[in-house]
Amino acid sequence: SQKIEQNSEALNIQEGKTATLTCNYTNYSPAYLQWYRQDPGRGPVFLLLIRENEKEKRKERLKVTFDTTLKQSLFHITASQPADSATYLCAETAGGSYIPTFGRGTSLIVHP
Amino acid sequence: SAVISQKPSRDICQRGTSLTIQCQVDSQVTMMFWYRQQPGQSLTLIATANQGSEATYESGFVIDKFPISRPNLTFSTLTVSNMSPEDSSIYLCSVDLGNTIYFGEGSWLTVV
Repeated sequence: SQKIEQNSEALNIQEGKTATLTCNYTNYSPAYLQWYRQDPGRGPVFLLLIRENEKEKRKERLKVTFDTTLKQSLFHITASQPADSATYLCAETAGGSYIPTFGRGTSLIVHP
Repeated sequence: SAVISQKPSRDICQRGTSLTIQCQVDSQVTMMFWYRQQPGQSLTLIATANQGSEATYESGFVIDKFPISRPNLTFSTLTVSNMSPEDSSIYLCSVDLGNTIYFGEGSWLTVV
């Protein structure tokens, strides 16, 4: 079965730097990969979706890439700010399915 | 996108009692989903709720423990029955719009 792997260790970076988070999948290539932001005790908030046939997607300071050869998606936040500190979840959806599989998320801490 | 309201946002419950979580969506949707997120864990799908039919439960979740209602296209409830401390979790209502899952704010239950 498909597994979504995200780094369980928190990522600590300085304000202004680019944060890069990794999401690896283990089996088939998903039709879609989604990234969510989750603050403590709150529901996840959708950020970006990238399709299997797309290499890169951007939204303001966010960028997502999808590499089917490496079975990996990278999530970048440029010019990071302390307000970007949160847990970021990756989720995959297989073709023909409507139910995503979520990773555990990676905690990002941006230091002023 | 969708605006999803959940009630209660947070509650402390006594062992052995039951609690019903309400979920209201600002538009009509065919499918609604209920997730659980235990501390430090990823999101786990409990069941899919379609209007006018029985909910479909995932492996490890049963109707007697988590009865679900779906009376119309904008509303659903999840009941957590006969609660134990292991049920302490965030419970999330969600909908699928265009291959993206949108979540409510979550209901954070602590069972004592």
